[in-house]
Amino acid sequence: ETVMTQSPATLSVSPGERATLSCRASQSVSTSLAWYHQKPGQAPRLLISGASTRATGIPARFSGSGSGTEFTLTISSLQSEDFAVYYCQQYNNWPYTFGQGTNLEIK
Amino acid sequence: EVQLVESGGGLVQPGGSLRLSCAASGFTLSNYAMSWVRQAPGKGLEWVSAISGSGYSTYYADSVKGRFTISRDTSKNALYLQMNSLRAEDTALYYCAKHPSDWPLNGDYWGQGTLVTVSS
Repeated sequence: ETVMTQSPATLSVSPGERATLSCRASQSVSTSLAWYHQKPGQAPRLLISGASTRATGIPARFSGSGSGTEFTLTISSLQSEDFAVYYCQQYNNWPYTFGQGTNLEIK
Repeated sequence: EVQLVESGGGLVQPGGSLRLSCAASGFTLSNYAMSWVRQAPGKGLEWVSAISGSGYSTYYADSVKGRFTISRDTSKNALYLQMNSLRAEDTALYYCAKHPSDWPLNGDYWGQGTLVTVSS
């Protein structure tokens, strides 16, 4: 099983600042990597697929990068609606696996 | 507009069975792969099972293999998860998710989930 490890577990950032979230895979997943965020009481929402392609309707302040085993999600200027839990997910190897999540909170 | 609505969750005793349903609208189920993903209370996400657009390929997490069965009815545009021999650790909110192609990839649309509680 491909283990996905996200860091940090919690990230405290002020609105308007940049946030950088990391995700590491225990083996190469090429660019088969997605990012989601989840707000309390809501379903996950797809942000990024293919490591760097924004999903429909996702603002340009969200960007993804990386390949192989190291990936990054950057939010360039945090808005109030961006504070949530963020998950990475690999879909290169079955079983598909998620990271444990990064809680992005308001500083 | 794509919509996914799960149902069928509830309280069940250990060893019991439940069948979850996911009613899909706004797209044709046979053209897309679908999955079930669960989230235990206060925990992260776990991929449970997937089915390809053709329906010929199915995948299961080791934790549910042999106990859960994914299926679909294209005439009803519905996805199902038959869950047998349920355990306390199966307690979770179960989401159905659509994939952007006929092969399981990332989930581009998600339902709101149905809660399964396994307890005596």
